[in-house]
Amino acid sequence: AQSVTQLGSHVSVSEGALVLLRCNYSSSVPPYLFWYVQYPNQGLQLLLKYTSAATLVKGINGFEAEFKKSETSFHLTKPSAHMSDAAEYFCAVSPEYGNKLVFGAGTILRVKS
Amino acid sequence: EPEVTQTPSHQVTQMGQEVILRCVPISNHLYFYWYRQILGQKVEFLVSFYNNEISEKSEIFDDQFSVERPDGSNFTLKIRSTKLEDSAMYFCASSPGASGGGKNIQYFGAGTRLSVL
Repeated sequence: AQSVTQLGSHVSVSEGALVLLRCNYSSSVPPYLFWYVQYPNQGLQLLLKYTSAATLVKGINGFEAEFKKSETSFHLTKPSAHMSDAAEYFCAVSPEYGNKLVFGAGTILRVKS
Repeated sequence: EPEVTQTPSHQVTQMGQEVILRCVPISNHLYFYWYRQILGQKVEFLVSFYNNEISEKSEIFDDQFSVERPDGSNFTLKIRSTKLEDSAMYFCASSPGASGGGKNIQYFGAGTRLSVL
């Protein structure tokens, strides 16, 4: 069965600092991986997705994630945090067939001024 | 930009009562989903729906739950007799096609917070 682990339920960074949100997956087959973001009182919005093309995936708002098969990881990064990045971030995995997304527990990002 | 809308944003009900959570998916989408997130826990898949029938469901989606697309625009989740443990945020999502393999993105609504007293 596929699963996702997000290390750190809360991450706090200073404005302008590097953002690193960790995601490790468990999958017996090549995974399809996603990062979603949820701003307060809004739905989950797709940041980026990995579907077995390039291992470095660029998303919206300056975020990117690198797929590392050897480490079973798909960590999300942004070189310089902005106050508007404060939100909850979810890593998710999808099977090749079937339509459900399996989510991690989420990481709340706080950006300090 | 088209979006998935869910109503109400917050629903309070008494244990044993029936509730219907409503969703309007993006208009040209063909696949519809419900997920839920119990406070402090992961977002969990409940059910997917395509061509007027359930295409996949989780073990959570028991006989107490049902889904329906009563007309061309709404997609509803009904809980027949609510329990305290049904208290959660319920998210509706839709996609233009099958989302397996990352082929199509699932677009999520803002959620309905269900509180069962």
